[in-house]
Amino acid sequence: AQSVTQPDIHITVSEGASLELRCNYSYGATPYLFWYVQSPGQGLQLLLKYFSGDTLVQGIKGFEAEFKRSQSSFNLRKPSVHWSDAAEYFCAVGGSSASKIIFGSGTRLSIRP
Amino acid sequence: DTAVSQTPKYLVTQMGNDKSIKCEQNLGHDTMYWYKQDSKKFLKIMFSYNNKELIINETVPNRFSPKSPDKAHLNLHINSLELGDSAVYFCASSDREGEQYFGPGTRLTVT
Repeated sequence: AQSVTQPDIHITVSEGASLELRCNYSYGATPYLFWYVQSPGQGLQLLLKYFSGDTLVQGIKGFEAEFKRSQSSFNLRKPSVHWSDAAEYFCAVGGSSASKIIFGSGTRLSIRP
Repeated sequence: DTAVSQTPKYLVTQMGNDKSIKCEQNLGHDTMYWYKQDSKKFLKIMFSYNNKELIINETVPNRFSPKSPDKAHLNLHINSLELGDSAVYFCASSDREGEQYFGPGTRLTVT
């Protein structure tokens, strides 16, 4: 069965500290993997995606994620967080266009001044 | 230049009423979706259309009926609204690689 697990419901980090948000997936075929960010009252914005090739992908706003097939993981990282990064982060897995994308339950990120 | 737009942004209505939410995308995508996000932020797909044809229909009450007059529009009609329908509804469209572009959401409150 296809699924996405984000084990951390809520994370608080200090401004300027590094960040890692965890994501594990279960998918029968080669997965397409995504990270989305949702600011309060807003829609979802794509941070980055992995389809194939280099397993370390760079995204917008200084985020990166690493695909580890052996661990079925796609963790999101940022070396130094900013107060504006406070938001809800969703990991998602799917196939090609027109297939269903499964979202994780989200991780809420708070930033400590 | 909005890519995926939804109207209305907020919708407050009473139980038993019928309401519609409209969605339009100007990205030229063939595939569009409706998602429901509950109060715990859990995002669940409801429907997907590809080129005006229904391709994904999750376990959704038949009070919910999507309609796609053309591939740029996907509307959601809800009959006999219930308290449990209160949520944020997101429309999205996707390109060939499955990357989804989301609308701003419609917050539905049923009283």
